[in-house]
Amino acid sequence: DAGVIQSPRHEVTEMGQEVTLRCKPISGHNSLFWYRQTMMRGLELLIYFNNNVPIDDSGMPEDRFSAKMPNASFSTLKIQPSEPRDSAVYFCASQLAGGSSGETQYFGPGTRLLVL
Amino acid sequence: GENVEQHPSTLSVQEGDSAVIKCTYSDSASNYFPWYKQELGKRPQLIIDIRSNVGEKKDQRIAVTLNKTAKHFSLHITETQPEDSAVYFCAARYSGNTPLVFGKGTRLSVIA
Repeated sequence: DAGVIQSPRHEVTEMGQEVTLRCKPISGHNSLFWYRQTMMRGLELLIYFNNNVPIDDSGMPEDRFSAKMPNASFSTLKIQPSEPRDSAVYFCASQLAGGSSGETQYFGPGTRLLVL
Repeated sequence: GENVEQHPSTLSVQEGDSAVIKCTYSDSASNYFPWYKQELGKRPQLIIDIRSNVGEKKDQRIAVTLNKTAKHFSLHITETQPEDSAVYFCAARYSGNTPLVFGKGTRLSVIA
């Protein structure tokens, strides 16, 4: 298995532009998580999905952020319009969630976003 | 909700010495406690985990201990090597359908 796949790996854009980050979870995993990592705030959970349904988006910082999961193998995180303070590394992670709490969560390689 | 505190935020040790990182959690219902290692520019990767029905788990040079009564768990790295230098995150979760709650991380530097 290729693991969690994210694209692009790096993104440089100008303030006000729309940014779309993409994630392909590990095949068979039914939970997907979007995180943002910065030096100041550490690893923050933005939103997570179970069986393609958004469960908790309370970590999404503003209405400029939105996330979708149209099917079990694809998710997007969109920022529109982007601002310099959105610069961070965005990680997608997936796991097989069920009755037990022991399923491992696997992270993708991340997208390093720089908004100028 | 769950809250995880992690200490110290930075730790420097001499090569060959041991390193200990401690975490406390708030929700007594939490029953799964993984540790992730994140090297510079890389993704967090699971290195060891423990479930609440176990008090200690070991894997070569790393071990994790759990004290359910005190609601804290610790990562122990023995005979540290320069390649152990990284940021380590602890996390807690009480249900397989809920997200992990992460600590703020510990930056470990192993000095050769």
